[in-house]
Amino acid sequence: KAGVTQTPRYLIKTRGQQVTLSCSPISGHRSVSWYQQTPGQGLQFLFEYFSETQRNKGNFPGRFSGRQFSNSRSEMNVSTLELGDSALYLCASSLAGEEKLFFGSGTQLSVL
Amino acid sequence: GQQVMQIPQYQHVQEGEDFTTYCNSSTTLSNIQWYKQRPGGHPVFLIQLVKSGEVKKQKRLTFQFGEAKKNSSLHITATQTTDVGTYFCAGPSGGSNYKLTFGKGTLLTVNP
Repeated sequence: KAGVTQTPRYLIKTRGQQVTLSCSPISGHRSVSWYQQTPGQGLQFLFEYFSETQRNKGNFPGRFSGRQFSNSRSEMNVSTLELGDSALYLCASSLAGEEKLFFGSGTQLSVL
Repeated sequence: GQQVMQIPQYQHVQEGEDFTTYCNSSTTLSNIQWYKQRPGGHPVFLIQLVKSGEVKKQKRLTFQFGEAKKNSSLHITATQTTDVGTYFCAGPSGGSNYKLTFGKGTLLTVNP
């Protein structure tokens, strides 16, 4: 079974631009979560989707948004990028009714 | 909001020595999960503890959940170089088991 796939692996953007990150969960997993990982703040929850609905949201500004498609694939978007948005963005999926997360390899975003 | 504290932040040991990391939550947890992230990798699920006072073992790893369900520990016996990585605990927050608050992690390095 393929794991969680995130694309792209690396991104370099400049301040003010926007970016879209993609995540394909493990087949059969309907819950997809997104986390931001930085050296200073660690792993921080962004949002979680289940069956195309945002079920949980973290404490990030509205510039961070996401969505989930009918095939459970998910995207997250960050608009008006700031230097502080530089981070590893991790997507994780889980089976319905289970809390353990299977993480993808992440997208390393650098904002210059 | 809920906080999850982990100590120590770093631990360097000689191969063969034991290692323990501690996790404390500001609130009572319904469950706690542990993850390991190798350098350059992504978090990988290790275990979930649900019951008060629960102890679970995985080979050389022993996980405990406190009686009050506010603290947890991970103990590794006779560390090996393959144990190198950052160990995170995570607990549900905001009333949802799918919104995890992660501790900052303990980085374990092992000298062969």
